[in-house]
Parts: sequence; C-alpha cells; structure tokens
Amino acid sequence: QVHLMQSGAEVKKPGASVKVSCKTSGYTFTTYALHWVRQAPGQRPEWMGWILPNNGNTKYSQNFQGRVTITRDTSATTAYMELSRLRSEDTAIYYCARSWFGDFSFDYWGQGTLVTVSS
Amino acid sequence: QSALTQPPSASGSPGQSVTISCTGTSSDIGGYNSVCWYQHHPGKAPKLIMLEVSRRPSGVPDRFSGSKSGNTASLTVSGLQAEDEAEYYCSSYGGSNNVIFGGGTKLTVL
Repeated sequence: QVHLMQSGAEVKKPGASVKVSCKTSGYTFTTYALHWVRQAPGQRPEWMGWILPNNGNTKYSQNFQGRVTITRDTSATTAYMELSRLRSEDTAIYYCARSWFGDFSFDYWGQGTLVTVSS
Repeated sequence: QSALTQPPSASGSPGQSVTISCTGTSSDIGGYNSVCWYQHHPGKAPKLIMLEVSRRPSGVPDRFSGSKSGNTASLTVSGLQAEDEAEYYCSSYGGSNNVIFGGGTKLTVL
C-alpha cells in the first residue's frame, strides 16, 4: 500500500534552515508528483511547491520563492524540502503529498512534521 | 491570490445531512473543475474525499457528495456518523500552477 513517511519534529532558531524528508513506498516513485503543503497553527493549509521525481523539475509558490528547495533521491524514493532563513511565522506542520503529474488533488499524504522556530 | 472561504463550523445529528460551502472567485473555483475536499482528523494525515468537484476516490462512502455552482463548491455529508466528525478543507486550482485552500470547517456530530 502507498505510504509516505516523514522525518521527525524539528526545533530551529530564527535564521536557520530545516530539511524535512518524505520517504515513499508502495508505488513507482517516478510516476507521481510530490508536493509540500504546510499548515501553521490556526491557519489554512498553504501549498509550497512540487517536484517531478522522474526528472527533478520543480515549481515553487511565489510565497516561498528563494527560500524553499525541493529535491529528491530516486534511489531512496525520498523527497526533501528545505526551508531557509526561518522565522517564527514558519512554525507549522509540514506535509508531503502525492498527486498525478500536473494535478493538484493530493491522494496520499505524509503524517506531517512539526517544525518549531523559536529563539 | 485570494483564499477560499468556508464556514468555521457545521454540525448535525447522526443520520442527518449537512452541507459545507466553499466560496472562491471566477479565477479559481469558478474557472476550473478542480475542487477537492479533504477530511482531517487531528494528528492524522489528511484524506482526499472528493476531487474534480464531485468525484469520489475509491473507498470513500457515497454518503459524501460534491457539487459546484458558479464560484461556490459544496460538500454534502448524508447519513452523518460519529466518525465523520473532523475538519474539512476545500481546495481549488488557482491558475498559474498553484493551488489554494479554504480555512477549514469543523464538523461536529451532535
């Protein structure tokens, strides 16, 4: 069965970077896009970007352009999201989610990774 | 981009029906048939329960139905059950290779 397993909770200081992983299993890694969506406390979910694992192409939300980098390791069937220059407003649960290429309906999600930014 | 508007809460008794609305604009909901609904129980991964406005993924009970009129999409849950109590989020393609979400509706089964 399809499974997206994310790395554990992180606590970071303002200005630092965080890298969250999303290990996939149960399907062919290169045939679906992987997205990152975050949800800050009390806020609506916010789409951050996607990666096409077959070729590594990425697309980022303008809200995170320049601060977010999404990568993948096809041999490990794992995607990564790195967010730099962290500030307190980046405290949120970060999710990876799967979709068909070119689609934005997310049929499987990871369990979420809490990232806390605090001095 | 504008966000999608959902009522913060909805409720119904077991067996009843409840409808949750999601209002956007002609640039998102009104412009595309790409509305999704997600069910989210606290501490668990969100679950896709509706895509393309009214298509249920395999395994989602037919008690869940979706529709759209103009810039407003709706999710109806019929025959409410205790396990339907959760947060429900809508999303829509917003153009320019982007997706936007609603603020969520907390559904309470009385």
